[in-house]
Amino acid sequence: GAVVSQHPSRVICKSGTSVKIECRSLDFQATTMFWYRQFPKQSLMLMATSNEGSKATYEQGVEKDKFLINHASLTLSTLTVTSAHPEDSSFYICSARASVSTGGAWQPQHFGDGTRLSIL
Amino acid sequence: GDSVTQMEGPVTLSEEAFLTINCTYTATGYPSLFWYVQYPGEGLQLLLKATKADDKGSNKGFEATYRKETTSFHLEKGSVQVSDSAVYFCALSRAGSYQLTFGKGTKLSVIP
Repeated sequence: GAVVSQHPSRVICKSGTSVKIECRSLDFQATTMFWYRQFPKQSLMLMATSNEGSKATYEQGVEKDKFLINHASLTLSTLTVTSAHPEDSSFYICSARASVSTGGAWQPQHFGDGTRLSIL
Repeated sequence: GDSVTQMEGPVTLSEEAFLTINCTYTATGYPSLFWYVQYPGEGLQLLLKATKADDKGSNKGFEATYRKETTSFHLEKGSVQVSDSAVYFCALSRAGSYQLTFGKGTKLSVIP
């Protein structure tokens, strides 16, 4: 089945550091990738939608300059948390949706395993 | 805006017990409805889906029926196993959109 690899799985760093998280679709091309943030005992909150070759679309309340998203190829999207602070500590999850197949069949989102970010 | 409400956990059941996890939604139009499962240390996996009223999604012994009249999509399984222990998320997407709106998740623990 479709596999999405997210790296790193866990990162601990000092306040003020910028952290990059990668999301790769390993066996399919992903026109669209999504970035979510999950707080403890809370739902996944969509942060932004990333389309290959164009600017990401951010959800209301998400700082574009804080969370930089790049979708440079059909298999890779990156999320960079710039100048991270303790309040940015969270679980970040990406998902990827395959390019629409011939006939327009519905394509599900395939999720990565998430990245646990801890800012000291 | 769209929202999904699911029963709060954690839910603890004995093996072979009957499972119900309630899910209701608020959305305009006719959204598609989903159940995702997250096993410990893993990402979310699509468990089942339904795209129109009265559709029943099923997979791995789990079932859920799209009830337009009650705006519900309750997850059921007749006999749970220890391997079903996971967090279950109910979600919806609007017609024509691939964006998902998730519930808060319900943690299920099945004990032998």
